[in-house]
Amino acid sequence: DAGVIQSPRHEVTEMGQEVTLRCKPISGHNSLFWYRQTMMRGLELLIYFNNNVPIDDSGMPEDRFSAKMPNASFSTLKIQPSEPRDSAVYFCASSLGTGSYGYTFGSGTRLTVV
Amino acid sequence: KQEVTQIPAALSVPEGENLVLNCSFTDSAIYNLQWFRQDPGKGLTSLLLIQSSQREQTSGRLNASLDKSSGRSTLYIAASQPGDSATYLCAVYNNNDMRFGAGTRLTVKP
Repeated sequence: DAGVIQSPRHEVTEMGQEVTLRCKPISGHNSLFWYRQTMMRGLELLIYFNNNVPIDDSGMPEDRFSAKMPNASFSTLKIQPSEPRDSAVYFCASSLGTGSYGYTFGSGTRLTVV
Repeated sequence: KQEVTQIPAALSVPEGENLVLNCSFTDSAIYNLQWFRQDPGKGLTSLLLIQSSQREQTSGRLNASLDKSSGRSTLYIAASQPGDSATYLCAVYNNNDMRFGAGTRLTVKP
């Protein structure tokens, strides 16, 4: 298995633009998680899905952030409009079940909003 | 709310030393604990996963222990090498939520 695949690896965009981050979980994993990592706050859980259904989105910072999982093999995290304070590394992780077997992380998307 | 603390925040050792990284958590009702390694600018690589019913896990030069009742875990690295230089993150899982510590940045000097 190729692991959790995220795209793009790097994204530089101007403030106010829409940004879409993509994730393909490991085949057979039925839980998917979006995390954000910054120097100041470390790793923060934004949202997680179980069987394609959003279970907990309490970590989504504000309405500018939205996430979807239209099927078991694809998820998106969208920021609209983007702001400089959204600059961070965004990680996607997947697991079998809801995490009792551990998480597998993707390589992340480094987002820079200028 | 679960809080995870890692001590020390940074550690520098000469090559060949054995070392211990510490992780503590406030809510002992966990399902598992996972140790990750993160290289600069890279993602997280899982090192060891310890289920709540287990006391330790070993992989090569790495040994992770778990004392759930006291809310502690340690990651022991034997015979450290410069290639071990990275940030090590501890994460605990309970209630459909995985919480991470801030990590320990390890530097192994040749």
